[in-house]
Amino acid sequence: DTQMTQSPSSLSASVGDRVTITCRASQDITNSLGWYQQKPGKAPKSLISAAFTLLSGVPSRFSGSRSGTDFTLTISGLQPEDFATYYCLQYRSYPFTFGQGTRLEIK
Amino acid sequence: EVQLVESGGGLVQPGGSLRLSCAASGFIFSDHHMDWVRQAPGKGLEWIGRIRNKAHSYTTEYAASVEGRFTVSRDDSKSSLYLQMNSLETGDTAVYFCGRSPIGYSPFDIWGLGTMVTVS
Repeated sequence: DTQMTQSPSSLSASVGDRVTITCRASQDITNSLGWYQQKPGKAPKSLISAAFTLLSGVPSRFSGSRSGTDFTLTISGLQPEDFATYYCLQYRSYPFTFGQGTRLEIK
Repeated sequence: EVQLVESGGGLVQPGGSLRLSCAASGFIFSDHHMDWVRQAPGKGLEWIGRIRNKAHSYTTEYAASVEGRFTVSRDDSKSSLYLQMNSLETGDTAVYFCGRSPIGYSPFDIWGLGTMVTVS
């Protein structure tokens, strides 16, 4: 199975900050990675597909990048509605595997 | 409006069975692969299974934790997805989400609201 190691597990930041969340895959997954946002008591929401592609309606302050097996979600200019938990998901091979999640909290 | 609505969750004893449903609307259900994910209380997301569309022969994939106990099926005429869960264990307690997975894109571009399953 492909392991996804997500870091940090939690992060405190202020409105307006730039934050980065990283997922490292245990093997090559090409660009088969998605990023998801989940708020307490709600279903997750898809943000980014194929490592880089912003889904329709997702603000441009969200971006994704890749370097080898390391994938990064960057939020530039945090807004109050961005405080949530973020997950990565690899879908290159079965079983699909999520990262452990990053809880983004208000400082 | 594109929508997925799960139902069928509840309280079940260990060793029991439960069938979850996911009703789709607002899109051509038969075109898409569909997946199930679960989230135990206070924990992260766990992918548990997929069923491909008719063009891909409705083939299925499962996580090791549920293979042999859970079965994913679909009825395209009813735009519905199902998860049959047998031999339930306390570790299966979770919120279960269904998701639409466009071919060639990341899974779960659309999520249902989830349904809670408690095994106790």
